[in-house]
Amino acid sequence: QKEVEQNSGPLSVPEGAIASLNCTYSDRVSQSFFWYRQYSGKSPELIMSIYSNGDKEDGRFTAQLNKASQYVSLLIRDSQPSDSATYLCAVKVTDSWGKFQFGAGTQVVVTP
Amino acid sequence: EAEVAQSPRYKITEKSQAVAFWCDPISGHATLYWYRQILGQGPELLVQFQDESVVDDSQLPKDRFSAERLKGVDSTLKIQPAELGDSAMYLCASSFGPDSKETQYFGPGTRLLVL
Repeated sequence: QKEVEQNSGPLSVPEGAIASLNCTYSDRVSQSFFWYRQYSGKSPELIMSIYSNGDKEDGRFTAQLNKASQYVSLLIRDSQPSDSATYLCAVKVTDSWGKFQFGAGTQVVVTP
Repeated sequence: EAEVAQSPRYKITEKSQAVAFWCDPISGHATLYWYRQILGQGPELLVQFQDESVVDDSQLPKDRFSAERLKGVDSTLKIQPAELGDSAMYLCASSFGPDSKETQYFGPGTRLLVL
């Protein structure tokens, strides 16, 4: 079993709709959670970080964390064609020098 | 805005040759990470430095890969000899420190093709 799992995708979303991305993790000492966006052929760029249970909003993006369920999600509202990318969920394990564990990513395709 | 620098951006080499990648982290960042990312997968940690010390190299194929960060600033990742299966994107990232809320920032990556 992988330590960080994401929906396999691709996720097809009509322009203007909400894209919902899910991530589960297995390591209970995980403290910090990050969402990265990666365009094809490019390196990952940070979108959101979340550390406490609940919701965190930043523009069109909302991250949700539930540590009891070991679940973190990302919502993209009013999806735009420029949101078409692969979204990586990353978990920081703080008992090992701050090692990041990544999921395989979910590809999002926003259709006009 | 400060960025992580990597070079080269692209590298084509033949099997059994040696290759080297260079990374210069954001100034002041003590933690440096090297990842390998195969198409369709998430980044896999190869080696993590805290200042000049290796703190995690559990996934580094030590028979052919080596990494160093001699003065705790820039770093070099070497592969010798390269194999066909090494074709991938090699990403360098840095963070201020290992604290839980410190995120990491990625460089542009080096795309390696082994023929």
